[in-house]
Amino acid sequence: DSGVTQTPKHLITATGQRVTLRCSPRSGDLSVYWYQQSLDQGLQFLIQYYNGEERAKGNILERFSAQQFPDLHSELNLSSLELGDSALYFCASSAVGRQNTEAFFGQGTRLTVV
Amino acid sequence: AQSVTQLGSHVSVSEGALVLLRCNYSSSVPPYLFWYVQYPNQGLQLLLKYTTGATLVKGINGFEAEFKKSETSFHLTKPSAHMSDAAEYFCAVSDWTGGFKTIFGAGTRLFVKA
Repeated sequence: DSGVTQTPKHLITATGQRVTLRCSPRSGDLSVYWYQQSLDQGLQFLIQYYNGEERAKGNILERFSAQQFPDLHSELNLSSLELGDSALYFCASSAVGRQNTEAFFGQGTRLTVV
Repeated sequence: AQSVTQLGSHVSVSEGALVLLRCNYSSSVPPYLFWYVQYPNQGLQLLLKYTTGATLVKGINGFEAEFKKSETSFHLTKPSAHMSDAAEYFCAVSDWTGGFKTIFGAGTRLFVKA
């Protein structure tokens, strides 16, 4: 158990809909990362938050947004969903953004858009 | 910007044989380098990491990797493969370019034959 909790584990929704994925980082970790893993794109970095502020941005679509709350949990919002958004979404956390520490991954949320 | 290239999306070895998974990176500043493993339906977990100091890094489950700056490589090896090593392996690089973030390679799936 990595200590990172993601909910829900599975999500099935229709095209055009909006969903919210939730992540609780390890206790004390200030950095949260979101990744998308799909068969054709591999593991793609989406966005990083550090102590409530956006710290780095990757290949995140404009239809997607994220935030980190004062209690350090994070949410990834996906809107106007398309079939191609079906993927496994991982959240990871690390102790401090500026340290050379590894990221600890949650089990992921599998999103299926039908 | 950082990037990671993993040579070979699939590698197959016999049980007891040497495992060699290749990773090359690019980074404009000294990088932090990682290898992660992903078992089916699970999140990623850290195998080993290079930060500074000794260039030969030992990790869990008998894996090790050597940082070669001149070759911009961080190949993962294990002297003798075990059936339980069958998984997907990701090389990753972190640095502070454009904000601290970790970029993953496309992954290499390791198959171990009996």
